Amino acid sequence: DSGVTQTPKHLITATGQRVTLRCSPRSGDLSVYWYQQSLDQGLQFLIQYYNGEERAKGNILERFSAQQFPDLHSELNLSSLELGDSALYFCASSVGGVTGLLDEQYFGPGTRLTVT
Amino acid sequence: AQTVTQSQPEMSVQEAETVTLSCTYDTSENNYYLFWYKQPPSRQMILVIRQEAYKQQNATENRFSVNFQKAAKSFSLKISDSQLGDTAMYFCACAITQGGSEKLVFGKGTKLTVNP
Repeated sequence: DSGVTQTPKHLITATGQRVTLRCSPRSGDLSVYWYQQSLDQGLQFLIQYYNGEERAKGNILERFSAQQFPDLHSELNLSSLELGDSALYFCASSVGGVTGLLDEQYFGPGTRLTVT
Repeated sequence: AQTVTQSQPEMSVQEAETVTLSCTYDTSENNYYLFWYKQPPSRQMILVIRQEAYKQQNATENRFSVNFQKAAKSFSLKISDSQLGDTAMYFCACAITQGGSEKLVFGKGTKLTVNP
């Protein structure tokens, strides 16, 4: 158990809908990262937040957005969902922000999103 | 552009033997970090080992070690005394700091099966 929690574990929704994925980092970790893992695209880094501020951005679509709240939990919002958005979405956390993505990251169990 | 290539989609090894997973990367940055992550059937991502590019000494974690060849941009993972629990997908990743932000890129992964 990495100490990172993600809810829900599974989510099934229809095209065009909007969903919110939630992540709670390990106690003491200030950085949160979001990843998408799909069969055709592999593991893709989406975005990183550090202490409430956006720190780094990867291959995140404009239909997707994220935020980190004062209690450090983070939410990933996916809107206008398409079939191709079906994937496993991981959240990870790490202690610092100075080295950001260079830090050791601890991954949550993931949220399996299925868009029908 | 930063790329990570894992040329072996699948590998297998007998229990107690040694196996080496290959990874090559391409980046124009001088300061970067390299990682190997393990993803067992549970789908959790687990950090196996990390190597700082400025360090010449190869990183080692128990039965896991790397062969870091900076000039060749190669970062292979050696697993000694393979155990059944090592069966998993293994992802190589490269993280860089560029223009004040970080980028993290993963390879497509190598599926390792340890046979009894």
